[in-house]
Amino acid sequence: QSVLTQPPSVSAAPGQKVTISCSGSSSNIGNNYVSWYQQFPGTAPKLLIYANNKRPSGIPDRFSGSQSGTSATLGITGLQTGDEAEYYCGTWDSSLSVAVFGGGTKLT
Amino acid sequence: EVQLVESGGGLVKPGGSLRLSCAASGFTFSAYNMNWVRQAPGKGLEWVSSISSSSSYIYYADSVKGRFTISRDNAKNSLYLQMNSLRAEDTAVYYCARARDTTMALFAYWGQGTLVTVSS
Repeated sequence: QSVLTQPPSVSAAPGQKVTISCSGSSSNIGNNYVSWYQQFPGTAPKLLIYANNKRPSGIPDRFSGSQSGTSATLGITGLQTGDEAEYYCGTWDSSLSVAVFGGGTKLT
Repeated sequence: EVQLVESGGGLVKPGGSLRLSCAASGFTFSAYNMNWVRQAPGKGLEWVSSISSSSSYIYYADSVKGRFTISRDNAKNSLYLQMNSLRAEDTAVYYCARARDTTMALFAYWGQGTLVTVSS
């Protein structure tokens, strides 16, 4: 049971837009920055979004992040077949003093 | 270019021990917090432990507290994870991850991972 809650899967057609939600609490998302990671099968995760809505260099602006209250959202526009992957949200939980991840969302 | 290379994984019996290493290059190792994150087969990411740049602050997941010890050697640009009293549920790919800045739980760079299998 993950501390952060994500939908197990989402799907959309190429060219469309999709959003992935990440729900937490005041001790984690409510008071700490959220980051998002993309992972392809058999490979290490890759940082996609940090500080709720910032993109590391090299990440296309098709990827965006937002945070409101105790929830965060990853948005992907202009979907490409190459975006098919697992996506994880993560943050710090100030009450537990632990890092926490969502359970992951498979994008088809 | 930031590079993180894990080693030390393998097959170990329940109750056994293993020491993972992560060799870092391409950045000033002593300036960054470092982390271990694991992923059981077919499962999601699970944070294991974090250590601050000077080893002043160390944190562990409840699932490994008292059994695992994180450490670092800034002179050798290396991160370690000593794993004792291993259980079947510790079977996973273990990733070494570097922080992006001082933000906790922000894993900017990842190694390729090393597989730990706990089985009799």
